[in-house]
Amino acid sequence: DGGITQSPKYLFRKEGQNVTLSCEQNLNHDAMYWYRQDPGQGLRLIYYSQIVNDFQKGDIAEGYSVSREKKESFPLTVTSAQKNPTAFYLCASSIRTSGREGQQFFGPGTRLTVL
Amino acid sequence: AQKVTQAQTEISVVEKEDVTLDCVYETRDTTYYLFWYKQPPSGELVFLIRRNSFDEQNEISGRYSWNFQKSTSSFNFTITASQVVDSAVYFCALSGNYGGSQGNLIFGKGTKLSVKP
Repeated sequence: DGGITQSPKYLFRKEGQNVTLSCEQNLNHDAMYWYRQDPGQGLRLIYYSQIVNDFQKGDIAEGYSVSREKKESFPLTVTSAQKNPTAFYLCASSIRTSGREGQQFFGPGTRLTVL
Repeated sequence: AQKVTQAQTEISVVEKEDVTLDCVYETRDTTYYLFWYKQPPSGELVFLIRRNSFDEQNEISGRYSWNFQKSTSSFNFTITASQVVDSAVYFCALSGNYGGSQGNLIFGKGTKLSVKP
């Protein structure tokens, strides 16, 4: 079955450590996205990538980094510079197909807790 | 600027009641897309509907229906005869012209729906 996988589901990190969240898709989608969700805040865009080897900052990119070396993978690194990294992180992908413009497909999410 | 407002933070209903979730949006794009997603307690966002700005027909899918009105910039979602399984957070989202804004979604803050037996 095609879909988006995120690992791990739960992640605990000590303050001052970098941590990488995995996102893989086998939908052959060109675009991929990372969102952060905090209680009562909805989803906020961290980074997005329309094609391999290219990515753009979203609304809250500070303290995060990404790479897009392969079409199916878009890992997110939460660096020690991120002041308040405890949140739920969602990865998504989309395809430029007539009739599906803008529609994004989401992974199950990773809940990051900083101890 | 684009913006999505879901004024209802939380709604609680008793099973079998009808409930309407409100969504108001702002955009300067002439071509845009509106979405509703459901987020159950597991966390994954489930796609419910996509509507483009040129199609103002209301849509019904089982117990779900959507009312899109460009004149009031609203895209409201109604659940008829609600069930406990409908309990979730519901997000309304807006996407601009695909080539221009690259298909990024602007989300509302969500409405938490609790359906009690």
